[in-house]
Amino acid sequence: GEEVAQTPKHLVRGEGQKAKLYCAPIKGHSYVFWYQQVLKNEFKFLISFQNENVFDETGMPKERFSAKCLPNSPCSLEIQATKLEDSAVYFCASSAIAAGYNEQFFGPGTRLTVL
Amino acid sequence: DQQVKQNSPSLSVQEGRISILNCDYTNSMFDYFLWYKKYPAEGPTFLISISSIKDKNEDGRFTVFLNKSAKHLSLHIVPSQPGDSAVYFCAASGTDSWGKLQFGAGTQVVVTP
Repeated sequence: GEEVAQTPKHLVRGEGQKAKLYCAPIKGHSYVFWYQQVLKNEFKFLISFQNENVFDETGMPKERFSAKCLPNSPCSLEIQATKLEDSAVYFCASSAIAAGYNEQFFGPGTRLTVL
Repeated sequence: DQQVKQNSPSLSVQEGRISILNCDYTNSMFDYFLWYKKYPAEGPTFLISISSIKDKNEDGRFTVFLNKSAKHLSLHIVPSQPGDSAVYFCAASGTDSWGKLQFGAGTQVVVTP
């Protein structure tokens, strides 16, 4: 598609439950990025993919967070055993190339509320 | 540590006047800078970018200036319009962090009639 699509728009989970978020990048874009925005503060980088391969996962809290980008499927970000501090808006972005002089296009975000 | 800083949380400007948003960075490896605009409940929208080999880039009403020696960039919007009321984020990436954008905390711009 012409835009980055993210589902669901809102997600509410009880503490300890699993949360799974989805992202469909712009058609033809090879790179996908996940960012977390907590309480309108700055965005925190989580992970990036080049096609189905992890490109950079230095921002991922490894214990409970995992992500995948499989061929012919939306990318996903999964949080096992959610905690209150995971409440945030999760943005997905895509770009044609990872670095250099190329902008990332963002989706509308998924708001995760952990109760 | 916060490597990209936007020290003004808010800015109020009259319609038709110039809006100037500032951004400072600390990482000398940053070589690409972007400005995004964000409305509530939406994702950031790309506005304009500049690479470290330039000191100015212009696109319509938007101009970004880069001062590498001061590690400072600014976004000028002229003339400001009511639809420009939004949060503006400065972001940077570098050769030591390919594809990983570091964002500032944002500046809320309000354009008044």
